[in-house]
Amino acid sequence: AQKITQTQPGMFVQEKEAVTLDCTYDTSDQSYGLFWYKQPSSGEMIFLIYQGSYDEQNATEGRYSLNFQKARKSANLVISASQLGDSAMYFCAMRPATGNQFYFGTGTSLTVIP
Amino acid sequence: SQTIHQWPATLVQPVGSPLSLECTVEGTSNPNLYWYRQAAGRGLQLLFYSVGIGQISSEVPQNLSASRPQDRQFILSSKKLLLSDSGFYLCAWETSGGSEQFFGPGTRLTVL
Repeated sequence: AQKITQTQPGMFVQEKEAVTLDCTYDTSDQSYGLFWYKQPSSGEMIFLIYQGSYDEQNATEGRYSLNFQKARKSANLVISASQLGDSAMYFCAMRPATGNQFYFGTGTSLTVIP
Repeated sequence: SQTIHQWPATLVQPVGSPLSLECTVEGTSNPNLYWYRQAAGRGLQLLFYSVGIGQISSEVPQNLSASRPQDRQFILSSKKLLLSDSGFYLCAWETSGGSEQFFGPGTRLTVL
């Protein structure tokens, strides 16, 4: 069975500081993709970053980086130099290489404090 | 560039009434299309997905149905809404064989 766990329901970070949002996953598939999405209060889901299970390098996209530890089955999102606009819900998701389903975690609410 | 639209943005319906939510994608052909529901403060639950016209896969048994009458149109329907159908409905698309999914702006449904 596929499962995504985000253990931090809410996080606070000071503006300009870095923050790590935790995500662990459980799968028996050998090939899969890991994703992070941002959901601001408007509701739209915004794709942030992707990591393939066979990628040796951690993915980076601007201020976002994914700390991928395959043996521990973790895919934490690191946001550097937090901005007020980063305040939102953040969802971790996994997609096995076979099949069409994304599996989402329950999300972490991030609040950036000025 | 590709865009995805959802209509309506918000909807308040009485229990037992019908439902039709529409999702359309522009700027791409033969996308895979998805319907998700997000209950308040929760993650996303996949409801339906479609890999082509007339091809619908259901992930969760419920009183909802989906149809794909055109390549870039995906419709979520119900004949009789339940209170538990309240939530935020998101449509998403991806290229066939692609990785990330791109989401629409969502429809907030309240069933009273």
